[in-house]
Amino acid sequence: ETGVTQSPTHLIKTRGQQVTLRCSSQSGHNTVSWYQQALGQGPQFIFQYYREEENGRGNFPPRFSGLQFPNYSSELNVNALELDDSALYLCASSPGGQAKLFFGSGTQLSVL
Amino acid sequence: AQRVTQPEKLLSVFKGAPVELKCNYSYSGSPELFWYVQYSRQRLQLLLRHISRESIKGFTADLNKGETSFHLKKPFAQEEDSAMYYCALSGGSNYKLTFGKGTLLTVNP
Repeated sequence: ETGVTQSPTHLIKTRGQQVTLRCSSQSGHNTVSWYQQALGQGPQFIFQYYREEENGRGNFPPRFSGLQFPNYSSELNVNALELDDSALYLCASSPGGQAKLFFGSGTQLSVL
Repeated sequence: AQRVTQPEKLLSVFKGAPVELKCNYSYSGSPELFWYVQYSRQRLQLLLRHISRESIKGFTADLNKGETSFHLKKPFAQEEDSAMYYCALSGGSNYKLTFGKGTLLTVNP
């Protein structure tokens, strides 16, 4: 059984650029959630995708967007990067209709 | 609005001592509560959830709706319990998790 994998592991961008983060869900999981974890904070919910549709969104601006593909992998896109976007971005997958999440190792994004 | 408070940022105990990590929540409905743990250089993983009422690695947590608390307890701490612990709440149908800021537990030999 393959766990949740995220790429890249680290990324450095400059303010105003755009970034795409990728996530492959665990086998058999059709739901993917994205979380932002700033230094010293707990993960904060960005949004969730279920069967390729957005299924709930946290308090993040529209420049945070996502996609889920037919194989249930997912992308997180952030436009017009700001310094405060520097954080660890976590992807988590789950079987549909369950709150038990399986997390990836995260992508550490630094915005300079 | 959902909120999870973990009042202790750091907690240090000696091996064999009891440990209690505090978690309080705010939610108007009927919540589902979780404890997640992150060991050094490992990914965040589920430790236990209140609806399963199970004990994992000797840890237990009881949901107290009157006090809106979900404290994590272990009677005898082990060095391998040293980790970051996050309390989380899920409410609503999309299973969004609201996390606390975490408590770093250090178990000293």
